[in-house]
Amino acid sequence: GDQVEQSPSALSLHEGTGSALRCNFTTTMRAVQWFRKNSRGSLINLFYLASGTKENGRLKSAFDSKERYSTLHIRDAQLEDSGTYFCAADTNAYKVIFGKGTHLHVLP
Amino acid sequence: EAAVTQSPRSKVAVTGGKVTLSCHQTNNHDYMYWYRQDTGHGLRLIHYSYVADSTEKGDIPDGYKASRPSQENFSLILELASLSQTAVYFCASRTSNSGNTLYFGEGSRLIVV
Repeated sequence: GDQVEQSPSALSLHEGTGSALRCNFTTTMRAVQWFRKNSRGSLINLFYLASGTKENGRLKSAFDSKERYSTLHIRDAQLEDSGTYFCAADTNAYKVIFGKGTHLHVLP
Repeated sequence: EAAVTQSPRSKVAVTGGKVTLSCHQTNNHDYMYWYRQDTGHGLRLIHYSYVADSTEKGDIPDGYKASRPSQENFSLILELASLSQTAVYFCASRTSNSGNTLYFGEGSRLIVV
């Protein structure tokens, strides 16, 4: 079935540095969402993209439906950015499936 | 701000017993979802619904039933709970308009013993 392959599964960054998370899709997706799981276990939406790129502070996301991937770039990482990040893809008008998540650890 | 409320937030159930997880949203959203999260698996879709009185199977529906009696309410039912159903369950909703994200509840931690 449709799948979302998220990488890396774990990532360690020093404060002030940056990196990128990536999701590859096995089929054409209508849109992508990125979430962060906070310390309370709640899932907080970061971005929703049907195409192109969006930026919010130190985060920037891109989605290319034709090439079947999305990225989430984090720059100038801070300690509070630590957590688990998920991408999720709209496979059709209703169904949304998730990647397995990236555990981000920001080091002082 | 979108509001999705799950109950109970935590439950210990006995193997073979019946468990009902409830979800209530006050956002007037058409679509509702139930996911489970396990370490190493991310969130997996169990059931979803795009209109009241109708439900759809997700990717892992076996052992679960769903009920959508109204636009606001979406329940997940485990008729015969098993050890493998120990997990955190998340409910989410979203509008049918394009370009809208999922809004999640706080999660329900289920432990089956």
